[in-house]
Amino acid sequence: AQTVTQSQPEMSVQEAETVTLSCTYDTSENNYYLFWYKQPPSRQMILVIRQEAYKQQNATENRFSVNFQKAAKSFSLKISDSQLGDTAMYFCAFMKPAISGGSNYKLTFGKGTLLTVNP
Amino acid sequence: SAVISQKPSRDICQRGTSLTIQCQVDSQVTMMFWYRQQPGQSLTLIATANQGSEATYESGFVIDKFPISRPNLTFSTLTVSNMSPEDSSIYLCSVAPSTPGQGRTYEQYFGPGTRLTVT
Repeated sequence: AQTVTQSQPEMSVQEAETVTLSCTYDTSENNYYLFWYKQPPSRQMILVIRQEAYKQQNATENRFSVNFQKAAKSFSLKISDSQLGDTAMYFCAFMKPAISGGSNYKLTFGKGTLLTVNP
Repeated sequence: SAVISQKPSRDICQRGTSLTIQCQVDSQVTMMFWYRQQPGQSLTLIATANQGSEATYESGFVIDKFPISRPNLTFSTLTVSNMSPEDSSIYLCSVAPSTPGQGRTYEQYFGPGTRLTVT
């Protein structure tokens, strides 16, 4: 079974600075997807960024980028120019796709990192 | 991405009763999922809602406790039966618009969640 570990329960950063959230995972699969989700106090889960394991290039979405190290099974999220609206719980998630449907498409989540952006 | 709504947004229920949560999507989607997020915890997949057939449940979740319906490609319901205080959680539905097996990146989008409190 896959496991996802987020070792930082809480982090804080000053507005406009850069912060990196760490995530490691354990799998024997070669093909899989990784995601970062954001859950603000409104509790809406928002997809921030995704990475396909077969791609060597790190994914980037505006101020959000990842450092994907497949051999090390590491998938960290970097947030540049932090904004107050970035304050949220951030979840790292793993998914192993399969040809057929069912639970092979399930997302396995880490326990989350609570990020607070201070003014 | 798909627009997902859930009803109710929150409810307070007495133990022993049942609550049905609805999930509506604004477009046809291939796969729909139900997750549970216990207080202060991460998300755990309850089941995959299959259109026209029985749901696929994860280990630890059973149909008698969490019956699921999916009559079409835009709608699903989750019932929490014979509730106890341990069922107090946020219940979220998610959808995956991409078609499985096409080699494309697979993303899940979440509804706003239903906050259930059982007294």
